[in-house]
Amino acid sequence: SQQGEEDPQALSIQEGENATMNCSYKTSINNLQWYRQNSGRGLVHLILIRSNEREKHSGRLRVTLDTSKKSSSLLITASRAADTASYFCATGYSGNTPLVFGKGTRLSVIA
Amino acid sequence: DAGVIQSPRHEVTEMGQEVTLRCKPISGHDYLFWYRQTMMRGLELLIYFNNNVPIDDSGMPEDRFSAKMPNASFSTLKIQPSEPRDSAVYFCASSTPGTDQETQYFGPGTRLLVL
Repeated sequence: SQQGEEDPQALSIQEGENATMNCSYKTSINNLQWYRQNSGRGLVHLILIRSNEREKHSGRLRVTLDTSKKSSSLLITASRAADTASYFCATGYSGNTPLVFGKGTRLSVIA
Repeated sequence: DAGVIQSPRHEVTEMGQEVTLRCKPISGHDYLFWYRQTMMRGLELLIYFNNNVPIDDSGMPEDRFSAKMPNASFSTLKIQPSEPRDSAVYFCASSTPGTDQETQYFGPGTRLLVL
């Protein structure tokens, strides 16, 4: 069963704008990860945030985690057409345990 | 490193036929996961291995599905007999202990269509 639920399901923005995607989950976690999937391709790991962290940055990505609300957000700044993809949050309970994925947000960045 | 390798990339078969999907994890990774992705159910874990031993196969839909990992560099997922509802994209992923242990590296997937 899905642990994470992404919001919105689909998002369309203009190139250069920021894109924010949210994820909510149900149970206690050890870490939360974000993955990107380009159409017809595999999943690419973007960033991992641990349960004792509140915010993390990687390039144009910013992830926040609020364990009290069981929610996370992924912000992509200055979006590019190449950012067009589906974005999934995935929760993990400990190292090397299976990830539980949400259904994803489909992001379209229009040039 | 070549990353996780899956074959075939695409498979079209008829209902009732046996289907075998293959996966080569990243060298040195001792965890291997099989996931299935469908529009209706999203990404779901089927089974995962640690050091070639199946740890949790509770996600395997039914007895028609079986998975093996005969050695550290190869795993198979077999469906026999296949049914149209098995049509999906099947992903293999691997991970390793250490500071990067939670990150799973995914293969490109096998897109299966059962007619």
